[in-house]
Amino acid sequence: AQSVAQPEDQVNVAEGNPLTVKCTYSVSGNPYLFWYVQYPNRGLQFLLKYITGDNLVKGSYGFEAEFNKSQTSFHLKKPSALVSDSALYFCAVRDTLFYNQGGKLIFGQGTELSVKP
Amino acid sequence: DTEVTQTPKHLVMGMTNKKSLKCEQHMGHRAMYWYKQKAKKPPELMFVYSYEKLSINESVPSRFSPECPNSSLLNLHLHALQPEDSALYLCASSQDYEGDGNQPQHFGDGTRLSIL
Repeated sequence: AQSVAQPEDQVNVAEGNPLTVKCTYSVSGNPYLFWYVQYPNRGLQFLLKYITGDNLVKGSYGFEAEFNKSQTSFHLKKPSALVSDSALYFCAVRDTLFYNQGGKLIFGQGTELSVKP
Repeated sequence: DTEVTQTPKHLVMGMTNKKSLKCEQHMGHRAMYWYKQKAKKPPELMFVYSYEKLSINESVPSRFSPECPNSSLLNLHLHALQPEDSALYLCASSQDYEGDGNQPQHFGDGTRLSIL
């Protein structure tokens, strides 16, 4: 079965410190992995994706994520957090084994990031 | 600014009312989606349209009726909703659905629906 786990409901970071938001996945085929961010009263905004190739993916707003196949993880990182990064973050996976059968995006439960000054 | 536009932003309706949510995109995407999202939870897929045809209905109650008049527009018709239907309704689009699958979905800012 396809699934995504975000083990932390909330992550608290001081401004200027590095941040990590964790994500692990389970799929039958190869994964397409995505990170989205949702600010209050807004829709989801695409941050970055891993499809194939380099395991380190760079995205919007200084975020990056590292794909680790052996650990089935795709953690989101940023070297220096900003107060404006405070938001709800969702990891999502699409199982390439099922994409031609109408495979859908599977979301994690979300992690609320709080960056304090 | 988001490239997927949803109207209205807020909607309050009684359980006997009929209303519609609208979604528009001009990115040339051929797949469009409706999601329901409760507070601080992930979006739940409701419907997928691919090339203007309904591809996926995730066992959504018939009081929700989707419509795709053309490749840029998506509607969600609402009738006889229940209080538990109060949520944020998100529209999204992507280049395609049954294709390569590596393109992200682009979301609108949603319609916040309250059922009295």
